[in-house]
Amino acid sequence: KNQVEQSPQSLIILEGKNCTLQCNYTVSPFSNLRWYKQDTGRGPVSLTIMTFSENTKSNGRYTATLDADTKQSSLHITASQLSDSASYICVVNQGYSTLTFGKGTMLLVSP
Amino acid sequence: GAVVSQHPSRVICKSGTSVKIECRSLDFQATTMFWYRQFPKQSLMLMATSNEGSKATYEQGVEKDKFLINHASLTLSTLTVTSAHPEDSSFYICSGRVDRRNTDTQYFGPGTRLTVL
Repeated sequence: KNQVEQSPQSLIILEGKNCTLQCNYTVSPFSNLRWYKQDTGRGPVSLTIMTFSENTKSNGRYTATLDADTKQSSLHITASQLSDSASYICVVNQGYSTLTFGKGTMLLVSP
Repeated sequence: GAVVSQHPSRVICKSGTSVKIECRSLDFQATTMFWYRQFPKQSLMLMATSNEGSKATYEQGVEKDKFLINHASLTLSTLTVTSAHPEDSSFYICSGRVDRRNTDTQYFGPGTRLTVL
C-alpha cells in the first residue's frame, strides 16, 4: 500500500532554533518528492522538489534531503521564525500527478 | 510561479442548499485541475480529476451526482456541492497542473472553507 508517514505529528520550538521533520514513504513507482508548507486555512505552497537522483535541495532556510534507497526524506528548518508556524506536508508523486500526501507535521514556533 | 485562485474563500450555507466553488488559474492554462477535500488535522484527499472539455474522473467513494465538476475552459473549473449536509463541511482545495521538463507540478489554490449548518 502506498503510504507517506510523517513524524513528529506536532512540534513546538523556540524562535531562532532549528528543527528537522521526517518523512518515510512506501510509494512506488517514484517520480519526485515535495515538501509543502500549509498555513492554517490556506492552500499548500511548494518549498522543495527532489527527484530520484537528488540528495539535497535548499530553499532559503529550508533544506530537504532525500535517501531514495531507504525511502526517507527530511526537511530542516534553520533559525526558525514565528512565520514558520504551519503544517509541513510531504508529498510523493508516482508520476503524472498521482500524489500521495502525508498527514503533515504541525510546527509551532514560540517567541 | 503559477497562481491559482478560489472563490469564495469561506461560505456558510443551510443544509439542503447547493454551493458552487470556483477555481481559476490566473497566469497559466491548466488542462487538468484537481479537487481535494481536507478535514481537520488530516491530509488532502483527492476527490476528482477534471480535464478541460471532458467529464471529471471521481475517486472511489466520491459521489459524482453530489459533487458536480465543470471544467469549461483552460482557466476555470467549478465544484458544486449539491444538497449540502453538515458532513460536507470541510476545506476544499483545487489545483492546476503544469507540465514542465517531464516534471508535472500542481499549483494549489488557497482553499474554500465550507460550513453547512
